[in-house]
Amino acid sequence: AQKITQTQPGMFVQEKEAVTLDCTYDTSDPSYGLFWYKQPSSGEMIFLIYQGSYDQQNATEGRYSLNFQKARKSANLVISASQLGDSAMYFCAQKKFGNEKLTFGTGTRLTIIP
Amino acid sequence: EPEVTQTPSHQVTQMGQEVILRCVPISNHLYFYWYRQILGQKVEFLVSFYNNEISEKSEIFDDQFSVERPDGSNFTLKIRSTKLEDSAMYFCASSDPGQGVGYTFGSGTRLTVV
Repeated sequence: AQKITQTQPGMFVQEKEAVTLDCTYDTSDPSYGLFWYKQPSSGEMIFLIYQGSYDQQNATEGRYSLNFQKARKSANLVISASQLGDSAMYFCAQKKFGNEKLTFGTGTRLTIIP
Repeated sequence: EPEVTQTPSHQVTQMGQEVILRCVPISNHLYFYWYRQILGQKVEFLVSFYNNEISEKSEIFDDQFSVERPDGSNFTLKIRSTKLEDSAMYFCASSDPGQGVGYTFGSGTRLTVV
């Protein structure tokens, strides 16, 4: 069974600083995908970034990048130049190809301090 | 940008009543899902639906739950005889098989059982 671990229940970061949210996963499958979602206080799940297990390069989407270390089974999210609007819950999730369901971690609550 | 639409955004129901949560997935997606998030907890997979049938379900998805695609656009989750512990945010999602980017969640239905 897949397992996602997010070890930081909460983080406080000064505005404009970079922040790294940790995520480790546990799978023996060769093909899988890793996702990060943002959940603001309004509750919706906003897709941020995706990394496939065979992707050679780390994924980037604007201020978001995914630090993918396959041998360590980690997929940390890096947010550069944090903004007040980045305050939210952040969830890491994994998908096994052929089985389309996502397995989520417990999330990290990020608070940006002005 | 295509989106997954869920209605209603909030639903309050009496214990023992039946509720139907509705979703319109992205039109060219082939996989549909329901997930649940109890307040303050992680997002949990309930069921996936492909080719007009359930492809996988979790242990949470017991006989109290059912899903249906009554026409070419809607995807519903029915919860029979609701219990207090069914109070949660219910997310619908859709995806293209084998694709990473494009696994899209709706904005959720907050169900409160009183």
